[in-house]
Amino acid sequence: GDSVTQMEGPVTLSEEAFLTINCTYTATGYPSLFWYVQYPGEGLQLLLKATKADDKGSNKGFEATYRKETTSFHLEKGSVQVSDSAVYFCAIFPSSNTGKLIFGQGTTLQVKP
Amino acid sequence: DTAVSQTPKYLVTQMGNDKSIKCEQNLGHDTMYWYKQDSKKFLKIMFSYNNKELIINETVPNRFSPKSPDKAHLNLHINSLELGDSAVYFCASSPRTDTGELFFGEGSRLTVL
Repeated sequence: GDSVTQMEGPVTLSEEAFLTINCTYTATGYPSLFWYVQYPGEGLQLLLKATKADDKGSNKGFEATYRKETTSFHLEKGSVQVSDSAVYFCAIFPSSNTGKLIFGQGTTLQVKP
Repeated sequence: DTAVSQTPKYLVTQMGNDKSIKCEQNLGHDTMYWYKQDSKKFLKIMFSYNNKELIINETVPNRFSPKSPDKAHLNLHINSLELGDSAVYFCASSPRTDTGELFFGEGSRLTVL
């Protein structure tokens, strides 16, 4: 079945470091791809999305590119801030339109000053 | 005004009790969801309603019963609570069923003692 795998956390970085959180997926067809972020004590918020191959989603300095050939959607940011500390979830919405958004297990990011 | 609001935010109760969580969205969306987040942050869909009609019902014990009195409200009632029901329950909404862009509430943390 459809699934999402993210790199294990926690990821601990110093402020201004480069961030990569890996995400790969298994799905038939062309799913839509998403990154959601959950700040401490809050619900999830959509961070960025991409709906077709080679699309790049970007928001708040974060970027991710839909790579169909490697079935990946890695999240990157050039310079992280303490305020980026959160749990990041990769998710897919299958093209079979089951109505189910499928999440990865989440990666906790901690940024130290 | 909070877009998706859930009550209560925290719920502590004894095994065997019955409890309810309420959700309301003021976004005018047609589709609403319940997700369960376990202690390892893993998120899994439980139910989805579209215009008051149940469209997704995952493998959830029948002690869990959702109810949508209108398309702006989705409640979750849980009978005979068990220790394993302890989790954070998130309500979410989306404008329609064919999108992975969800708007989440802040979550309701249920602790069963």
